[in-house]
Amino acid sequence: AAGVIQSPRHLIKEKRETATLKCYPIPRHDTVYWYQQGPGQDPQFLISFYEKMQSDKGSIPDRFSAQQFSDYHSELNMSSLELGDSALYFCAIPGQGAGGELFFGEGSRLTVL
Amino acid sequence: QKEVEQDPGPLSVPEGAIVSLNCTYSNSAFQYFMWYRQYSRKGPELLMYTYSSGNKEDGRFTAQVDKSSKYISLFIRDSQPSDSATYLCASSTDSWGKFQFGAGTQVVVTP
Repeated sequence: AAGVIQSPRHLIKEKRETATLKCYPIPRHDTVYWYQQGPGQDPQFLISFYEKMQSDKGSIPDRFSAQQFSDYHSELNMSSLELGDSALYFCAIPGQGAGGELFFGEGSRLTVL
Repeated sequence: QKEVEQDPGPLSVPEGAIVSLNCTYSNSAFQYFMWYRQYSRKGPELLMYTYSSGNKEDGRFTAQVDKSSKYISLFIRDSQPSDSATYLCASSTDSWGKFQFGAGTQVVVTP
């Protein structure tokens, strides 16, 4: 079954610091999505990649960047962190079927103090 | 205004009752519809996936999509306390597209 490993699971940073979140699709997958879920909020689409190229962009701040590497793992880089960046960050991959299903990782919880 | 609207609840039901959840959406181009279950501080877990209009049943779960009224429903039969979670509906225009989520409905099943 498809799955996603995310690290770190928890991260605490100070304002204006930088954070990097990592996502490892298992098995490797050519497509990855990043979502942000604030406290009590629904997941918001940030950005997606297909074959290491950005395929779509959502409400991702300019302070954030992401990349999909040659081994298909992905990283979300966040700089100049703000209090409002505190959220759960999910990585997700499509299912192996006809399309439409999206499988989420357990998420990385970022707390900005 | 959100493209997918969902009542945040909470919705409290006694064990064994039918849980009825629904969402409305505004984008007529949506074709893929999902229901996710999310426990506190966990990732969303895919429950049901439907394409276009129609019904789909899987065990205790039934998903319905009515594209004419832009209405999505999820029914949970014989509800259990372990079904207590937040249920999120999500829609997308294509199979590889980004998803728009509803706000999520918190469900509490009391023993």
